[in-house]
Amino acid sequence: AQSVTQLGSHVSVSEGALVLLRCNYSSSVPPYLFWYVQYPNQGLQLLLKYTTGATLVKGINGFEAEFKKSETSFHLTKPSAHMSDAAEYFCAVSEPNDMRFGAGTRLTVKP
Amino acid sequence: GAGVSQTPSNKVTEKGKYVELRCDPISGHTALYWYRQSLGQGPEFLIYFQGTGAADDSGLPNDRFFAVRPEGSVSTLKIQRTERGDSAVYLCASSLSRNNEQFFGPGTRLTVL
Repeated sequence: AQSVTQLGSHVSVSEGALVLLRCNYSSSVPPYLFWYVQYPNQGLQLLLKYTTGATLVKGINGFEAEFKKSETSFHLTKPSAHMSDAAEYFCAVSEPNDMRFGAGTRLTVKP
Repeated sequence: GAGVSQTPSNKVTEKGKYVELRCDPISGHTALYWYRQSLGQGPEFLIYFQGTGAADDSGLPNDRFFAVRPEGSVSTLKIQRTERGDSAVYLCASSLSRNNEQFFGPGTRLTVL
């Protein structure tokens, strides 16, 4: 069965700094990989996804992630953090019938 | 168009009671998922429906939990003899088909006293 590990339950960056949220996965089949964001008191919103093809995936709000099969990683990055990026971020891996989520990383952006 | 909706948004119940949580998926989405999110955790898969049938219920924690989707649209998650450990946010998601993007509802916060 697939699983996801997110390194760091809390990440704090300064406004304008690079955002790097780490995600490693395990899967017995070629995975579909996702990053979701959850703002306070809101539902999960898809940031980006990898299914097949190009390994560098661009998403909404300036985020991108790179699928690295050799490292079984799908880290999320953004060159310059905004205050509005403060939220909980979840990495997820999908096999045919279900999606497994990581425990989440809470991103704090300092002015 | 309308997104996934869930009712109620909050539910407080007493230990031992029965509760039903409702999910209205996006129209036309054949796949429907239920997840449970405990405080400080990521969503935990409970059950997946493809149409009317439960294609995978391996995530249901025990036989107190049951879900139905009789007409292939609205789904109801049913919890019998609730326990304090059932307290969590229950999320519903739908997608056009499996492995497509899942669209999440806002969740139902269940509190068992």
